[in-house]
Amino acid sequence: EAQVTQNPRYLITVTGKKLTVTCSQNMNHEYMSWYRQDPGLGLRQIYYSMNVEVTDKGDVPEGYKVSRKEKRNFPLILESPSPNQTSLYFCASSGGQGAAGQPQHFGDGTRLSIL
Amino acid sequence: KQEVTQIPAALSVPEGENLVLNCSFTDSAIYNLQWFRQDPGKGLTSLLLIQSSQREQTSGRLNASLDKSSGRSTLYIAASQPGDSATYLCAVRAAGNKLTFGGGTRVLVKP
Repeated sequence: EAQVTQNPRYLITVTGKKLTVTCSQNMNHEYMSWYRQDPGLGLRQIYYSMNVEVTDKGDVPEGYKVSRKEKRNFPLILESPSPNQTSLYFCASSGGQGAAGQPQHFGDGTRLSIL
Repeated sequence: KQEVTQIPAALSVPEGENLVLNCSFTDSAIYNLQWFRQDPGKGLTSLLLIQSSQREQTSGRLNASLDKSSGRSTLYIAASQPGDSATYLCAVRAAGNKLTFGGGTRVLVKP
């Protein structure tokens, strides 16, 4: 089954404790992206990647890091999480010709709470 | 900076009525526009994607139109059903491969 898998689905942690949210897709997609969703602010793009070793900032990259060492994986790293990063996070991917312009497939989300 | 707006924020209709959801964007230099559905506790499901050169896309009971020059898109859902209850989001892709989302319209279809 074609899917985007995020882990963990839920996490409660404390300020300053480094964490990584993993994202993996099994569709051989070139384009992958991370979003956060907050009440009243909607979905905002954090980082995206056009292909392996190619990443770029979205609209809200501060406090986050990403890497794209393999095509299928696109982890989101919070080196020193702060309470304002409490949010619902989504990973998405798309592929084919003009991958970034193709329909995006979303994971089920990761709810992060940072105390 | 691209801004995407969806009005109304919430909509309640009786079953069988047609739904009309609106999306407007400030910068008409877009590559495409997508409509998504989001169910509570779930990720987004892509419904329709309209390239900038297209005027509309159709899939079953769904029809989306795009007027790039006026910065508007409309999603029509014919003969609504309770299973159509969800939040609907539109997103535009512009230069730099960034995707900008609207705030969504929460739809409730009452039996």
